[in-house]
Amino acid sequence: AQTVTQSQPEMSVQEAETVTLSCTYDTSESDYYLFWYKQPPSRQMILVIRQEAYKQQNATENRFSVNFQKAAKSFSLKISDSQLGDAAMYFCAYRSADNNDMRFGAGTRLTVKP
Amino acid sequence: ETGVTQTPRHLVMGMTNKKSLKCEQHLGHNAMYWYKQSAKKPLELMFVYSLEERVENNSVPSRFSPECPNSSHLFLHLHTLQPEDSALYLCASSQDRALRTDTQYFGPGTRLTVL
Repeated sequence: AQTVTQSQPEMSVQEAETVTLSCTYDTSESDYYLFWYKQPPSRQMILVIRQEAYKQQNATENRFSVNFQKAAKSFSLKISDSQLGDAAMYFCAYRSADNNDMRFGAGTRLTVKP
Repeated sequence: ETGVTQTPRHLVMGMTNKKSLKCEQHLGHNAMYWYKQSAKKPLELMFVYSLEERVENNSVPSRFSPECPNSSHLFLHLHTLQPEDSALYLCASSQDRALRTDTQYFGPGTRLTVL
């Protein structure tokens, strides 16, 4: 079974600075998808960014980008120019290309300091 | 984002009560999901429906009973729950489980407290 590990329970960043959240996963599959979701205090789980494993190019979405290292099974999220509204729980998730069952990490709580 | 809505947002119930959680998606999706989110634990997938048919049940106790009357609505019926069932229950939907690029979109959750 696939597992997703987020080794940083909590992270903090100064407003306008850059922060990187780590995620590693374990799988024997070659085709899969990786996601970062954000869960603010409102608890609404919001999709931040998605990466397809067969694409070597790292996904980017405005201030959010990923560093996808397939061989190392690593999928980190970089947030540039951090804003107060970025404060939330961030969840890394894995989905096999064969089915839609998601595996989530335990989450990283990000605090943004003004 | 109001594509997936859930009611109620908060629910307190006794162990002998019967209640239901409701989820509605306005995205035209064919698949819907129930997840349980407990403190300091990864999200746990409970049920999956695709085209109104249950396709997965991850060994969830029978005190949780899902219902999917149509592709836009999903219910979770609760009865004789235990205090350890207190958690955030999240609903999600996705366009089509057969799509390689299928992505799940979540509702705001129902915070359930069982006394």
